[in-house]
Amino acid sequence: AQSVSQHNHHVILSEAASLELGCNYSYGGTVNLFWYVQYPGQHLQLLLKYFSGDPLVKGIKGFEAEFIKSKFSFNLRKPSVQWSDTAEYFCAVNEGDNDMRFGAGTRLTVKP
Amino acid sequence: DAGVTQSPTHLIKTRGQQVTLRCSPKSGHDTVSWYQQALGQGPQFIFQYYEEEERQRGNFPDRFSGHQFPNYSSELNVNALLLGDSALYLCASSLAGRNTGELFFGEGSRLTVL
Repeated sequence: AQSVSQHNHHVILSEAASLELGCNYSYGGTVNLFWYVQYPGQHLQLLLKYFSGDPLVKGIKGFEAEFIKSKFSFNLRKPSVQWSDTAEYFCAVNEGDNDMRFGAGTRLTVKP
Repeated sequence: DAGVTQSPTHLIKTRGQQVTLRCSPKSGHDTVSWYQQALGQGPQFIFQYYEEEERQRGNFPDRFSGHQFPNYSSELNVNALLLGDSALYLCASSLAGRNTGELFFGEGSRLTVL
């Protein structure tokens, strides 16, 4: 069955620490990959996306993600987190216009 | 440019009742998807509407139904509410045929079933 797995439920970091959030998916075909972020009290918004081409994609606010096809992974990274990065992060996958499937989310808490 | 708007933002119902949630897509979008997000979980796909028809459906019972109007707005109806239907219901809009899959989300309608 198609699924998306996020390995970390809750991550706590201090400001300036580096961040890596894991995401693995199980899809058989060509996929589109996304990271969405939900800041406290706000709606889900797109952080970055991968459709094709360079497997290293850059998003807003200094985030980047790397697509590793052989590992079915799309991990999110940021070299130095800020307190304002405290939020819930969701990895999502779809094929074309088919329904988008989300992981369970990772709650990131950044301590000032 | 108006984003995705949903109403109501919060509502409380009792078991067995019926509820209708509403969504207006982002300007220029023609496709509406509905998701259920239980506490501590990621959004779960309910269904998608395009050209006033249900195009795709997730693993939700027939108690969940929807509608899309000619102006692309949409409704989600849930009948015979159960306690387990308590969740945040998210509407997302997109533009069909772009093959990008990018969704724009509203802030959701939080349903509490007592």
